[in-house]
Amino acid sequence: QKEVEQNSGPLSVPEGAIASLNCTYSDRGSQSFFWYRQYSGKSPELIMFIYSNGDKEDGRFTAQLNKASQYVSLLIRDSQPSDSATYLCAVIAGNNRLAFGKGNQVVVIP
Amino acid sequence: DARVTQTPRDKVTEMGQEVTMRCQPILGHNTVFWYRQTMMQGLELLAYFRNRAPLDDSGMPKDRFSAEMPDATLATLKIQPSEPRDSAVYFCASGLTREGPPEQFFGPGTRLTVL
Repeated sequence: QKEVEQNSGPLSVPEGAIASLNCTYSDRGSQSFFWYRQYSGKSPELIMFIYSNGDKEDGRFTAQLNKASQYVSLLIRDSQPSDSATYLCAVIAGNNRLAFGKGNQVVVIP
Repeated sequence: DARVTQTPRDKVTEMGQEVTMRCQPILGHNTVFWYRQTMMQGLELLAYFRNRAPLDDSGMPKDRFSAEMPDATLATLKIQPSEPRDSAVYFCASGLTREGPPEQFFGPGTRLTVL
């Protein structure tokens, strides 16, 4: 079983809509969760982290964590063409390293 | 501004050749990570150093890959001999361990093509 799963295919959303991304993780003891954004041909950059159950908002981004169900999600409100990228979910795994999902591509259509 | 640097940015080589990739972490950071990214596998951790000591290299094929930190300002990843299946983008990231989870800052990557 993979440590972090992101199973959805590419997500196309119209400009101004909400993009919703989901991620599940296998280690029930995981405490810290991260969302990275990666533009095509570029390196990943951290956009959100969350440690506690519930929602965490930062601008147009909201991270949601449900430890009982072992999933973490990312909502992008008022999606802009500049949000078109691949979003990587990551979890702190053994030895304090990050385990990444394969990512979800988001395409915002003007 | 502080950033992770990697050289070379692109490398094309032939099967069997040695490849060396270099990374300069952000000054003051004490953790360095090497990742490999492919479409099929996503982002995989190859090696992880803290205070220049290797902590985890379980993701690295030991027979052909080696990672070192000769000093605090340089990390190297070497492949010898290289194979076509090694073609990928290799990222270096650095961070600073402290209270709470670490944030990692990624370099621009080295795109490796093995023919």
